Amino acid sequence: QQQVKQSPQSLIVQKGGISIINCAYENTAFDYFPWYQQFPGKGPALLIAIRPDVSEKKEGRFTISFNKSAKQFSLHIMDSQPGDSATYFCAASIVGGANNLFFGTGTRLTVIP
Amino acid sequence: KAGVTQTPRYLIKTRGQQVTLSCSPISGHRSVSWYQQTPGQGLQFLFEYFSETQRNKGNFPGRFSGRQFSNSRSEMNVSTLELGDSALYLCASSYKVVVDTGELFFGEGSRLTVL
Repeated sequence: QQQVKQSPQSLIVQKGGISIINCAYENTAFDYFPWYQQFPGKGPALLIAIRPDVSEKKEGRFTISFNKSAKQFSLHIMDSQPGDSATYFCAASIVGGANNLFFGTGTRLTVIP
Repeated sequence: KAGVTQTPRYLIKTRGQQVTLSCSPISGHRSVSWYQQTPGQGLQFLFEYFSETQRNKGNFPGRFSGRQFSNSRSEMNVSTLELGDSALYLCASSYKVVVDTGELFFGEGSRLTVL
């Protein structure tokens, strides 16, 4: 059973546009929500992370929006660039629950020049 | 500083065989976790080791096992391979005790094909 649901499966965006990826979860014990970025042939790398005590976190062109009551969070990539083309995974973990993450199924983002 | 190193990068096995994958974490990292990545399921947690002890295990059959050595290097073993075991196996290390205080650093993975 997928504990973190992610959509869309794939996304095509024009250069300069906004990319939006959504995730939802059910387990209210989740208390840490990172996003990982994976390029072909590489392992995932941490992009940005948020805790539910804030509703938004921004790092450069990347923003996480978090809605605790709806149990949803999303990644927004502003001014999307061809170099952002990658697979993005949302994830969740339980605070203090060792080093394991529950990942979404991934979104393959393609940014067209 | 060297990253997480996984060997072999690619391997082909036949059904019924067994396979051992190796992971060398970043120097100083004591936590090593393993994930299975498939196109339809994303990344699924297999197990995590910290200071040679398995702390957590995902929902995989007993054919999947692992261990960690005193130098933090880790191996995972899959016995009696099935076609559905074909996947990219990712190893991740961390210097933190829990993931919410630090990131996981992933290797490039070992791609296993079972024929």
